[in-house]
Amino acid sequence: DTAVSQTPKYLVTQMGNDKSIKCEQNLGHDTMYWYKQDSKKFLKIMFSYNNKELIINETVPNRFSPKSPDKAHLNLHINSLELGDSAVYFCASSQRPAPYEQYFGPGTRLTVT
Amino acid sequence: AQSVTQLGSHVSVSEGALVLLRCNYSSSVPPYLFWYVQYPNQGLQLLLKYTSAATLVKGINGFEAEFKKSETSFHLTKPSAHMSDAAEYFCAVSEGNFGNEKLTFGTGTRLTIIP
Repeated sequence: DTAVSQTPKYLVTQMGNDKSIKCEQNLGHDTMYWYKQDSKKFLKIMFSYNNKELIINETVPNRFSPKSPDKAHLNLHINSLELGDSAVYFCASSQRPAPYEQYFGPGTRLTVT
Repeated sequence: AQSVTQLGSHVSVSEGALVLLRCNYSSSVPPYLFWYVQYPNQGLQLLLKYTSAATLVKGINGFEAEFKKSETSFHLTKPSAHMSDAAEYFCAVSEGNFGNEKLTFGTGTRLTIIP
């Protein structure tokens, strides 16, 4: 069974479009995260949710809106996509907020043309 | 803010040779430190973590790391490299208070294994 899953795995879209990435974890964890990995492999946290409550918002543009319908899901919606949004987006979860181990999904490669 | 610095964006070693990946941290409080590995086109997997217990931490796949406070280092080692070790390795530090902790990653080190 996949612990942290993301859909889609690849997403190619044009500038100005709106898209969503879905994340689900079946580990029973309370905390979920979104990370962005740029073309140089640099990883940076975007958001974290604990029990459906937003905990961390790392000065991400308002075009990015996470939504957690329940503890097992954390979706990321992106409005008005820009070229600079092209990256790999990783979802992760942990039993509690860090420093407990975070389990990562396989990533969603977003390409904006 | 806490941070980690990984020295060497690319490291190449021969199969069977010692692997040494360097990580130095900056923290005003005792840190929690992690090493993650990312295989091509995959997510990150935890190799090991330091949470103020033993300073020598053993992880999966034969890797280990030693926390040295005097040197503010947490280098990753493996005695004998295997072809399957080729991947990107990330050092990370946990910062923040209970409830809003987050991982801050280093810039990564790409490990290449030479046959």
